[in-house]
Amino acid sequence: DGGITQSPKYLFRKEGQNVTLSCEQNLNHDAMYWYRQDPGQGLRLIYYSQIVNDFQKGDIAEGYSVSREKKESFPLTVTSAQKNPTAFYLCASSIDSASGELFFGEGSRLTVL
Amino acid sequence: AQKVTQAQTEISVVEKEDVTLDCVYETRDTTYYLFWYKQPPSGELVFLIRRNSFDEQNEISGRYSWNFQKSTSSFNFTITASQVVDSAVYFCALRTNFGNEKLTFGTGTRLTIIP
Repeated sequence: DGGITQSPKYLFRKEGQNVTLSCEQNLNHDAMYWYRQDPGQGLRLIYYSQIVNDFQKGDIAEGYSVSREKKESFPLTVTSAQKNPTAFYLCASSIDSASGELFFGEGSRLTVL
Repeated sequence: AQKVTQAQTEISVVEKEDVTLDCVYETRDTTYYLFWYKQPPSGELVFLIRRNSFDEQNEISGRYSWNFQKSTSSFNFTITASQVVDSAVYFCALRTNFGNEKLTFGTGTRLTIIP
């Protein structure tokens, strides 16, 4: 079935460690996104990519990095520079960046110990 | 700047009751799109509807209906004859013009349907 796969679903990390969250899509979508969800704050955009080998910062990019070497893949690295990394991370894709109709993965919950 | 306000943090209703989720938006752009997404307990958000700023017709899809009123900058969502499967967090979102790739989300409304 077509869709977006995020892994791992749950992740624990010690302070000071970098961690990479995987996001893969087989929808042949050009655009991909990473959102962070915190209780009571809705979704906030971290990074987005309109096309392979290109990406832009969202509203809260500090402490995160991404790459888009393949159309299907958009991994997110949470670095030790991110002050408050414990959150629920959602990856999404859309057929193109003008659509606005996003397809989401089931999320990755990161807990920093 | 654009903003989406969902003032209702949590709502609980008894099954089969109707319920309306409120969404108020702010933007200075004349061209924009409004969205509703549903987030069930599994975590992924599911697209429900998209409306553009030039189409104020109300929309009905089964038990779901949406009321878009530019005069009050609102895009409210009504579920009639609610069911337990409707329990979820619902997000309203706004996107302005084609040059802006970002969706601005509200903080969500957690809807619980009591059997």
